Amino acid sequence: GENVEQHPSTLSVQEGDSAVIKCTYSDSASNYFPWYKQELGKRPQLIIDIRSNVGEKKDQRIAVTLNKTAKHFSLHITETQPEDSAVYFCAASGRGAGSYQLTFGKGTKLSVIP
Amino acid sequence: AAGVIQSPRHLIKEKRETATLKCYPIPRHDTVYWYQQGPGQDPQFLISFYEKMQSDKGSIPDRFSAQQFSDYHSELNMSSLELGDSALYFCASSLGGSSTDTQYFGPGTRLTVL
Repeated sequence: GENVEQHPSTLSVQEGDSAVIKCTYSDSASNYFPWYKQELGKRPQLIIDIRSNVGEKKDQRIAVTLNKTAKHFSLHITETQPEDSAVYFCAASGRGAGSYQLTFGKGTKLSVIP
Repeated sequence: AAGVIQSPRHLIKEKRETATLKCYPIPRHDTVYWYQQGPGQDPQFLISFYEKMQSDKGSIPDRFSAQQFSDYHSELNMSSLELGDSALYFCASSLGGSSTDTQYFGPGTRLTVL
């Protein structure tokens, strides 16, 4: 099955700085890569996703890049704000016909210091 | 916009009891997924349904069963509860049955087994 590794597990940045979180996946058949933000005790909320037919996607301060050859994808957050503090999960899915479970990384706890 | 609804939001049970968790997907969504998230862990896929048929199965214990009904809502039935079943249970829904469909998560049910 799919295996997703995520680094770093914790990340502290000063407000206004950029944050980068990296993930690698094992199954070359995976073709969908979402990123979720989760606050303590709350639901995972989709912040951005990328599909295998594109290499980069941007939405305001958030961008994701995908390298299918190397099987890795990254989340970039610019101009970080204290409200960006949360746990961020990368995930991968897509292994053939049927339904498509998400396999998550272990998460990155991002702390933005005012 | 309407979101995924889960009930109950909190549930306390004793060991060996049974529990039923309910999920109402976003209107018109035809696929439902169940995930279990332990404290400090990433969500783990349990089971999914597409158009009322089981479409994928993950690390779901034999003590658990689930189904999707004609109105697309889903129920997760858990029997012979164990202390280790204490976790957040999330339901997610999507539209289309494709590997690249966005999964939207509900608020979760926090199950505590005493």
